[in-house]
Amino acid sequence: AQTVTQSQPEMSVQEAETVTLSCTYDTSESDYYLFWYKQPPSRQMILVIRQEAYKQQNATENRFSVNFQKAAKSFSLKISDSQLGDAAMYFCAYSHSGTYKYIFGTGTRLKVLA
Amino acid sequence: EAGVTQFPSHSVIEKGQTVTLRCDPISGHDNLYWYRRVMGKEIKFLLHFVKESKQDESGMPNNRFLAERTGGTYSTLKVQPAELEDSGVYFCASSQGATTQYFGPGTRLLVL
Repeated sequence: AQTVTQSQPEMSVQEAETVTLSCTYDTSESDYYLFWYKQPPSRQMILVIRQEAYKQQNATENRFSVNFQKAAKSFSLKISDSQLGDAAMYFCAYSHSGTYKYIFGTGTRLKVLA
Repeated sequence: EAGVTQFPSHSVIEKGQTVTLRCDPISGHDNLYWYRRVMGKEIKFLLHFVKESKQDESGMPNNRFLAERTGGTYSTLKVQPAELEDSGVYFCASSQGATTQYFGPGTRLLVL
């Protein structure tokens, strides 16, 4: 069975600094998607970034980028120039191509310090 | 474009009572999903609708949970009778295809 592990329940970062959130997963499949979602306090969970497993290039979205290591089954999220609005719960998720359901990690709460 | 909406945002009920959660997906999205997060744990898949049909309900915990999707539009998730372990945040999501899902804000359910 596929699993997703986020080993950091909580992280803190100083405003304008860079932080990396860890995510590892376990699967025997070769074709899948990985996601990072962000849920600010009392607000909607929104997609931060998506990575297709067949793509070697790491996905980037403005200040957000991933380090996708397929062989190591690692999918970390790097947030550059952290802003107060980045404070949220971050969830890593996996989805096997051909199925629809997501498998989530337990989340990492990110605090941004002014 | 309106996002996924869920109602109510919070619900507090006593053990043995019934609660119905509602989800309105993004217009035009055939796929609708329910997930649940129990405090401190991972978000777990409950079920998946394609239009009005249940495509995958492998995550439904037991027969106290009943999900419906009337006419392929909004969906309801009924818990009857509620137990203490049903407490958590229930998320609804929708998608057009098989990849990116768009989530609602969740319903926080507390069973006392």
